[in-house]
Amino acid sequence: QKEVEQNSGPLSVPEGAIASLNCTYSDRGSQSFFWYRQYSGKSPELIMSIYSNGDKEDGRFTAQLNKASQYVSLLIRDSQPSDSATYLCAVNRIKAAGNKLTFGGGTRVLVKP
Amino acid sequence: DVKVTQSSRYLVKRTGEKVFLECVQDMDHENMFWYRQDPGLGLRLIYFSYDVKMKEKGDIPEGYSVSREKKERFSLILESASTNQTSMYLCASSFRDRGGGGYTFGSGTRLTVV
Repeated sequence: QKEVEQNSGPLSVPEGAIASLNCTYSDRGSQSFFWYRQYSGKSPELIMSIYSNGDKEDGRFTAQLNKASQYVSLLIRDSQPSDSATYLCAVNRIKAAGNKLTFGGGTRVLVKP
Repeated sequence: DVKVTQSSRYLVKRTGEKVFLECVQDMDHENMFWYRQDPGLGLRLIYFSYDVKMKEKGDIPEGYSVSREKKERFSLILESASTNQTSMYLCASSFRDRGGGGYTFGSGTRLTVV
């Protein structure tokens, strides 16, 4: 079992719709959770972080965390063609010496006009 | 504007050459990381460093070494480049203990070994 799992996609979404991305993780000690957006040929860019159970909203993005079920999700409302990218989920178990993220394989999202 | 800077965007090297990839950050981060990213394989950690002169192996350290002589600079060295090291190389940095904050990535170096 991979430590962080994501559906590779592609997730095809009509423009204006909600894109829903899911991520599950295996380490119950994970404490910090992140979503990165990566455009083709570019480096990952941090778009959301979440540390406690529940929802966190930032503009058109909402991150949802459920530690009991070990999943974190990302909702993109009013999807735009510019949201077409690969979205990486990352989790962190803070250790005494280091802060090392474990990344999922990413979900490719295609927003069609 | 805070950032992580990688010295080259594209590199072409010959098999057997010694290759240096440089990364500099201006955010006073303790941690620095080197990843490679290949289609279908995702991000794979090569090495990371949580302090000056400290280093730890990641998941795929074979054929690589690193150097961290100053806090802001982390170098990845390919001792003898091989074609299977053709990849996108990404440097990242983060704080060590501040609530486990996320990484900031550099823009990447696309290395081709011929």
